[in-house]
Amino acid sequence: AQSVTQLGSHVSVSEGALVLLRCNYSSSVPPYLFWYVQYPNQGLQLLLKYTSAATLVKGINGFEAEFKKSETSFHLTKPSAHMSDAAEYFCAVSDLGAQKLVFGQGTRLTINP
Amino acid sequence: DAGVIQSPRHEVTEMGQEVTLRCKPISGHNSLFWYRQTMMRGLELLIYFNNNVPIDDSGMPEDRFSAKMPNASFSTLKIQPSEPRDSAVYFCASRPGTANSPLHFGNGTRLTVT
Repeated sequence: AQSVTQLGSHVSVSEGALVLLRCNYSSSVPPYLFWYVQYPNQGLQLLLKYTSAATLVKGINGFEAEFKKSETSFHLTKPSAHMSDAAEYFCAVSDLGAQKLVFGQGTRLTINP
Repeated sequence: DAGVIQSPRHEVTEMGQEVTLRCKPISGHNSLFWYRQTMMRGLELLIYFNNNVPIDDSGMPEDRFSAKMPNASFSTLKIQPSEPRDSAVYFCASRPGTANSPLHFGNGTRLTVT
């Protein structure tokens, strides 16, 4: 069965600083991995996805994530944080044999001016 | 593409009352998911459908919860009778029927049971 662990329920960075949100997964077969963002009072929106093509995946709003099989990780990064990046971020995993998406507990990102 | 449409956006009801949440998936998507989000438990998958057929309802908390998908363009999640611990945001999501396709979420229904 797949699972996802997001390290750090809250992350706070200064505007312009590097954003790093950590995600580790567990899957017995090659996974599909996703990052979603949730703004207040809205549903989740897809940021990016990994589906066994390039290991470095670029998403919307300047975010990217790197799939590292040896570390079973899929960390999300952005070189320079913007105030509008303040939101909750969710990592999720599924695989070819699974039909459902398993989400991590989420990381709330705060941007300090 | 209007996206996934959920109604109502907010629902306030008294304990013991029946609550019905509604969802219209994106046209052409043949998988539909119901999630519940709370501070304590995060995002929980309640049930999902493929081609209008319930595939896995192991996340449905109790018999008070039921979900239907009578056709490809409509689904309901019903709670009867409702209890204060059911207060949460309920999300519906849909996608094409492949595991590498992302879910598209509605804006959710915020349920408050007093």
